[in-house]
Order: sequence, then structure tokens, then C-alpha cells
Amino acid sequence: AQKVTQAQTEISVVEKEDVTLDCVYETRDTTYYLFWYKQPPSGELVFLIRRNSFDEQNEISGRYSWNFQKSTSSFNFTITASQVVDSAVYFCALRITLLYNNNDMRFGAGTRLTVKP
Amino acid sequence: DAGITQSPRHKVTETGTPVTLRCHQTENHRYMYWYRQDPGHGLRLIHYSYGVKDTDKGEVSDGYSVSRSKTEDFLLTLESATSSQTSVYFCAISEEETRNTEAFFGQGTRLTVV
Repeated sequence: AQKVTQAQTEISVVEKEDVTLDCVYETRDTTYYLFWYKQPPSGELVFLIRRNSFDEQNEISGRYSWNFQKSTSSFNFTITASQVVDSAVYFCALRITLLYNNNDMRFGAGTRLTVKP
Repeated sequence: DAGITQSPRHKVTETGTPVTLRCHQTENHRYMYWYRQDPGHGLRLIHYSYGVKDTDKGEVSDGYSVSRSKTEDFLLTLESATSSQTSVYFCAISEEETRNTEAFFGQGTRLTVV
């Protein structure tokens, strides 16, 4: 089964706190891709990062960092020194094969992050 | 921002009526998708297209049909709308057939079936 689990439905932190959003995935594929998207209150979906199954190097982009661990099938997202503008719903997604000619992207249920001033 | 336009952005319709949602892209991307977003479920794939007149079902395709007569347009039709189809619908596009590329999403269409 191909599945993405985001166990944290909602998280609330105070500004400047660090916060980690968890993502656990299941797939039989040896080659797959993982993504994080941000959905702010305005509703659009914003792409944040892509990671393929061959590259377990962690990535840092400003206050954002991602920890990919194949051994635990996890792709966690950490925001350092959170800000009010980080308040959003965050989705983790897994790209899998769907027959030929395409690849389905399977999403987790999302984690709603609220950062209070 | 990727050139994706969804129309309408909001619609209220009655149970049993047909509804068509339109997705228009200016990026000339090969792949187009329709997702629905519901609380507790994230985004679920309804149908996708891998070229003109080439479409296939996704995870939750029952009650929906799609058509793609031009590269830039992907239509989603609810043949006979039901209250369970009240949702936010997102169109997405992606460029390559490999798994390496992310999908870019439209602004969404909020559909209410009363």
C-alpha cells in the first residue's frame, strides 16, 4: 500500500519556538519521491521541497530543514524560530507509480500549524 | 507562479444537476490532475491526464468524468452532483513523466452541493 501519515493534526506554538512536523510514508517502490507543500490561510498550495529516495542528505533552506530517514520511512520538517507567517496547513506527499505514463502523488491529511505572537 | 487558472472559483449547485469545472494552463505541461480536498483526508486524486485525450482514474473517481481536448484545458464534470461532492477542488500540472518533478496547483474551486 502507498500511504502517507501525518499523525499531528494540529500544532500550536509561540513565535520563535522550533517546531517539527512529522511525516511517515509507506511504499513498496524502491524509487520514490517525497514532497512538502504549504497551504496558507489564503488556500493556495505552495511547493516547498522535493526529495528522492536515493538522496538521504538533509536539507536546510533558511529557517526550514528536512530530515529524510529511509530506515524509519520518515521525512520530517522542522521550522526553526517560527514566525506568525508560518501559520498554515502543511502537507507531506509521496509520488508513486500509477500504471504507465504517469505517477500519482499521494498526500497525507495535513498538519495545521498555528504560530502565536 | 505557474500559469494555472481554475474556473469558477466558487459555485453553489443543487443536488442532481451537472457541474463542470475548468482548469486552464499556460505552461504547456503534459500532465494535468484534479484533486479534491476534504478535512481529514488531505488531497485525493480524482482523475489525471497524461496528454490530449489521454486520461485515467485516480483514487476517488466515482461520480466524476474528465476531458482534455487541448493541452491547455482539463475539464472535470460531475454528472449528477451529490452532497458528498461538496469539497474544494484543485487542479495541478506537472512537466515531466519522471517522478522527480513537483506538481503546481491552481487556486482551487469551492463547490457546494445543496
